[in-house]
Amino acid sequence: DVKVTQSSRYLVKRTGEKVFLECVQDMDHENMFWYRQDPGLGLRLIYFSYDVKMKEKGDIPEGYSVSREKKERFSLILESASTNQTSMYLCASSLRPPMNTEAFFGQGTRLTVV
Amino acid sequence: AQTVTQSQPEMSVQEAETVTLSCTYDTSESDYYLFWYKQPPSRQMILVIRQEAYKQQNATENRFSVNFQKAAKSFSLKISDSQLGDAAMYFCAYRWGGNAGKSTFGDGTTLTVKP
Repeated sequence: DVKVTQSSRYLVKRTGEKVFLECVQDMDHENMFWYRQDPGLGLRLIYFSYDVKMKEKGDIPEGYSVSREKKERFSLILESASTNQTSMYLCASSLRPPMNTEAFFGQGTRLTVV
Repeated sequence: AQTVTQSQPEMSVQEAETVTLSCTYDTSESDYYLFWYKQPPSRQMILVIRQEAYKQQNATENRFSVNFQKAAKSFSLKISDSQLGDAAMYFCAYRWGGNAGKSTFGDGTTLTVKP
């Protein structure tokens, strides 16, 4: 059974803290993604990676960075957490195109910045 | 830029009835893929159904089927014989073969199933 695992389901952090969200997949997928989910805004892509050490900005990269040192692990970093980064964060992975495969998602991390 | 629009923020259906969720998209590409994902209250997003743009035949998965109108750029999801377990948020997504396979998602439709 394929699996994408996010390290935490709930996190509470203070403003200004450096926050790490971890994601691990066991499907040997090339692509990994970080999305932010807010009510009424759907899923917005923060960053994605198509190979180890490779990354590209998504639609809303400001305030975030990522790291992919191993194929199975993709980390999202909030350099200095702010209250407007309170949100649901979803990690996903997929095969590289042109495979018509879907993205597989983790269970999500609900981050609250106080 | 590709965009995906779900015009129905909320829908409700009576158990055992049929409901259709709407999705339109905008693209200049000719080869792409479309997906419907389901996100139940437990939050794990899972695939419901997929459609390759080059296929004229509409995809079907058990009680779920799509109405794919390529010229109109429309991709609606029909759920037949609705069950209580179908209650969830549904997202329509577009994926292009290029661009490292990024997907663009709609804003979602929350489906309520009434017993």
